Amino acid sequence: QKEVEQNSGPLSVPEGAIASLNCTYSDRVSQSFFWYRQYSGKSPELIMSIYSNGDKEDGRFTAQLNKASQYVSLLIRDSQPSDSATYLCAVWNRDDKIIFGKGTRLHILP
Amino acid sequence: EADIYQTPRYLVIGTGKKITLECSQTMGHDKMYWYQQDPGMELHLIHYSYGVNSTEKGDLSSESTVSRIRTEHFPLTLESARPSHTSQYLCASTGQGGSGANVLTFGAGSRLTVL
Repeated sequence: QKEVEQNSGPLSVPEGAIASLNCTYSDRVSQSFFWYRQYSGKSPELIMSIYSNGDKEDGRFTAQLNKASQYVSLLIRDSQPSDSATYLCAVWNRDDKIIFGKGTRLHILP
Repeated sequence: EADIYQTPRYLVIGTGKKITLECSQTMGHDKMYWYQQDPGMELHLIHYSYGVNSTEKGDLSSESTVSRIRTEHFPLTLESARPSHTSQYLCASTGQGGSGANVLTFGAGSRLTVL
C-alpha cells in the first residue's frame, strides 16, 4: 500500500459546481496534512493545510480531515476554469518527511 | 512571492557534462528537499537535508549528489549527465514548529534536458 493514495482522474466538473478530491494515507501517527495545486509545467503551491480533525475553510476551499479513517479531502465550491490543475495530497509522516500522492487531475468544464 | 530560488530555470546540455543545479532560500529554514518530477508524473523525493552538514538520500534512487555547507544553500550535482536525467528538479524548504508547521515552499524548478 502506498503511503498516500489519490485517484489520478481526470475528474471533470462543470463550472460552478463543487469539486470533491479525496486522499487516504497509511501512517496513523501523521499529524500534518496538505493540499497543493500544480499547474502544468509549474511548481506545486499550497492551497490548504490541516492539522486536526474536522473541516477547515478558506474562501472557496474546504479541507476535511478524519484521522480515524485516515482520510483527507478537499472541496472546491463554485469551481472555475482556473481551478483546472493537478491537486496533490501530502502527508507529513513519522520519518519526518512529507510524502506526496500521485495527484488528481481536475478539469473544470466551461 | 517565493523566497526560494532555483537556477538555472532551463538547461540543455550534452551527455557526459557535469552540472550543478542551485537552490537558495532566504527564510532561514533548516529542512531542504530536492524532488524530481517528469511531465504529468508524481513527485519523487531524491535528497533531503535537516541542517548544515546533514544530507540524506530520498525514496527514489538518484545518481545526483547534494551538499549543505550553508543553511541557505542546497545545490544538486550530476557528475556526468545522461539522457535519463532529463526531468524537472524542484527544490523546497520548510521551517520548524508554529502555525504553518511543516509547510513546504517550492522553488520555480529547474528543467534539465540532456541530449
